Amino acid sequence: ILNVEQSPQSLHVQEGDSTNFTCSFPSSNFYALHWYRWETAKSPEALFVMTLNGDEKKKGRISATLNTKEGYSYLYIKGSQPEDSATYLCAFIKGTGFQKLVFGTGTRLLVSP
Amino acid sequence: NAGVTQTPKFQVLKTGQSMTLQCAQDMNHEYMSWYRQDPGMGLRLIHYSVGAGITDQGEVPNGYNVSRSTTEDFPLRLLSAAPSQTSVYFCATTRLEPYYEQYFGPGTRLTVT
Repeated sequence: ILNVEQSPQSLHVQEGDSTNFTCSFPSSNFYALHWYRWETAKSPEALFVMTLNGDEKKKGRISATLNTKEGYSYLYIKGSQPEDSATYLCAFIKGTGFQKLVFGTGTRLLVSP
Repeated sequence: NAGVTQTPKFQVLKTGQSMTLQCAQDMNHEYMSWYRQDPGMGLRLIHYSVGAGITDQGEVPNGYNVSRSTTEDFPLRLLSAAPSQTSVYFCATTRLEPYYEQYFGPGTRLTVT
């Protein structure tokens, strides 16, 4: 069973704070890592697809980095806003094959005004 | 394009009742899957399909059946509902190339009493 861990489980910050969280995954036979943003009562939406060691992706105030050798990815939010409040999920894909996709349990972020 | 649609949005069942959760997509993706989301557990794969006529079990298949007669539809059947099946169910399609990006439906919240 593949183990994909996210930390912290939850985070409460003030508007304007910058924050980051971690997705840890097995470092062998890496294929891709996805980050999803999941708002309450909605469905997960894709943020980034990370594929190469050293990848850095950015979308507005949100960015992500990838280290496949040590098995982790960081998601950063600069200057958090209340609308950033959501659960951030990572999904790890080992090798090829759909059945090798495993989700982490997510980091729940709450940004207070 | 509607993307991925699910019906119903909410459902309450009594123990032992059966029902079918509907999922339809207009993205022409071959891969479709069903997940359940429980607090602290992330998303867990129930069943998936790699094309019409082909289905396979995921991580938590017990108590659920699926079929895939067309590319567009992938219904999930609960044969005899149990309280342990109280959850939020998400249907998703997968764009295989290049990196298995998933597109989720809006979810069905099921309560079994």
